[in-house]
Amino acid sequence: DSGVTQTPKHLITATGQRVTLRCSPRSGDLSVYWYQQSLDQGLQFLIQYYNGEERAKGNILERFSAQQFPDLHSELNLSSLELGDSALYFCASSGGGFQETQYFGPGTRLLVL
Amino acid sequence: AQKITQTQPGMFVQEKEAVTLDCTYDTSDQSYGLFWYKQPSSGEMIFLIYQGSYDEQNATEGRYSLNFQKARKSANLVISASQLGDSAMYFCAMREGDQAGTALIFGKGTTLSVSS
Repeated sequence: DSGVTQTPKHLITATGQRVTLRCSPRSGDLSVYWYQQSLDQGLQFLIQYYNGEERAKGNILERFSAQQFPDLHSELNLSSLELGDSALYFCASSGGGFQETQYFGPGTRLLVL
Repeated sequence: AQKITQTQPGMFVQEKEAVTLDCTYDTSDQSYGLFWYKQPSSGEMIFLIYQGSYDEQNATEGRYSLNFQKARKSANLVISASQLGDSAMYFCAMREGDQAGTALIFGKGTTLSVSS
């Protein structure tokens, strides 16, 4: 158990809908990262937050947004969902120093029908 | 251009044998970090081992060791005495960025199958 929690574990929804994925980092970790794992794209970095502020952005679509709250949990919002958004979405956390190891949550498996 | 290359889609090994999973990387940074993660069929990503670019010794964590050859830009994972529970997908990753922001760049992974 990495100490990172993600909810829900599974999510099935329809095209055009909006969903919110939630992540709680390990106790004391200030940085939260979101990754997407799909069969065709592999594991891709989406976005990083550090203590509530956006720090780094990867291949995140404009339909996707994220935020980190004062209690350090983070949410990833996916809107106008398409079939191709079906993937495993991981949250990871680290202490905050850029050299620190990222520990991953169990992931949320999203299926868009 | 691919920054992390894992050339072995699948590897097969018998229990108690050692296995090496290959990883090459591409970066012009002097300071970087290399990681290996394990993803079992259940889907979670498990951190295995880390090597910093300035570390002079190869990293080791139990049965895992990282064969770091900086000049060749390779960071191969060596698993000694394989166990059935080692069957999983293994990802090599490189940390990009700096204090302002950072991300992990992953390779495509290698599937390891351990048989009895």
